[in-house]
Amino acid sequence: AAGVIQSPRHLIKEKRETATLKCYPIPRHDTVYWYQQGPGQDPQFLISFYEKMQSDKGSIPDRFSAQQFSDYHSELNMSSLELGDSALYFCASRRESSSTDTQYFGPGTRLTVL
Amino acid sequence: QQQVKQSPQSLIVQKGGISIINCAYENTAFDYFPWYQQFPGKGPALLIAIRPDVSEKKEGRFTISFNKSAKQFSLHIMDSQPGDSATYFCAASTHYGGATNKLIFGTGTLLAVQP
Repeated sequence: AAGVIQSPRHLIKEKRETATLKCYPIPRHDTVYWYQQGPGQDPQFLISFYEKMQSDKGSIPDRFSAQQFSDYHSELNMSSLELGDSALYFCASRRESSSTDTQYFGPGTRLTVL
Repeated sequence: QQQVKQSPQSLIVQKGGISIINCAYENTAFDYFPWYQQFPGKGPALLIAIRPDVSEKKEGRFTISFNKSAKQFSLHIMDSQPGDSATYFCAASTHYGGATNKLIFGTGTLLAVQP
């Protein structure tokens, strides 16, 4: 079965640089969630989209922005990177019309800021 | 503050034993409680989930027990195997207008099953 695809899998950036993370949800899934997981920590919700509209927003810095495109893939744009942004970034997807609440997680993008 | 509290932080169990991880929550609006399993460097994978209208759900070696009045739920792993060694997260979310909201995760439990 198709899973959530995230790219790139690993990303190394310098402080103050910009990064773009991409998420391709499971086919026919219309809802995308972004989570940030620091070392040894639990995933923290950043932002979500349903049918290309922002549906919820968590503790996402103003330096970050995201959107969902017409093909339902989503991109997380991160500017003015800081050392503290180093983390695993997960995308999860779900089909809103399904009978299950399951969010399916991708393999993550490991961002390292030097 | 941590909306979902999880314990223990780490757990060592002998092969064949029972692993028990506990979670507690405060927000009574939560109505969906999944458990995720995560291996190092991988994304969380859904293990089992429960809604507050049932007190127990079993899938294979994994059982969720749910106590709505106490606002607590737990994961039991029967016949624990070395391959179960991973980090386990409980989580909670709510439904608003038919949409499932963000997952609020517990702090995680690092399980090590010794052969």
